[in-house]
Amino acid sequence: DGGITQSPKYLFRKEGQNVTLSCEQNLNHDAMYWYRQDPGQGLRLIYYSQIVNDFQKGDIAEGYSVSREKKESFPLTVTSAQKNPTAFYLCASRDATVNTEAFFGQGTRLTVV
Amino acid sequence: LAKTTQPISMDSYEGQEVNITCSHNNIATNDYITWYQQFPSQGPRFIIQGYKTKVTNEVASLFIPADRKSSTLSLPRVSLSDTAVYYCLVGDNNAGNMLTFGGGTRLMVKP
Repeated sequence: DGGITQSPKYLFRKEGQNVTLSCEQNLNHDAMYWYRQDPGQGLRLIYYSQIVNDFQKGDIAEGYSVSREKKESFPLTVTSAQKNPTAFYLCASRDATVNTEAFFGQGTRLTVV
Repeated sequence: LAKTTQPISMDSYEGQEVNITCSHNNIATNDYITWYQQFPSQGPRFIIQGYKTKVTNEVASLFIPADRKSSTLSLPRVSLSDTAVYYCLVGDNNAGNMLTFGGGTRLMVKP
């Protein structure tokens, strides 16, 4: 059963702690993306990766870090430098070699208290 | 990247046809137009994609005029379950495309 999986669905952390959100896909997609969504707002791009061991900053990369050591995995770390980390985080992947759609995970809702 | 402009929100009633227009004046020759649907607390899902003229699938139709500076997503006979946010994206679908979403159009379908 192919797809893209984010875990956990809900995550609570204390202010000042780093936290890592997981994103795994078994679709053999080259491109992967991380978005942040605040209530009532659209999706804002944090980071994206076109290939293993390579990634680029999106529009709101400050306070976040990523890695792409495997094609299947693109974890996002929300660092203590992110001033307002409470949000809904979405991961997506896409086969970038043909004109195909992006597939999204179910999201992780992060709450920092 | 071509910027897109959509209405912030729209209301409709069950059984009506809904047309959501997206403006993309700076669309490039290689750009495709893609629409996604998002329900609350879920990731967006693909609805339809087109390059020019008209595309139709089991869910929607996409109308693109000859100048390609706008596009219209048409949802026939909407139901309450079509209440969602609809996003219009423009890009060339290669690995260099940042896949940037705008604010979307919030569609409310009423009984």
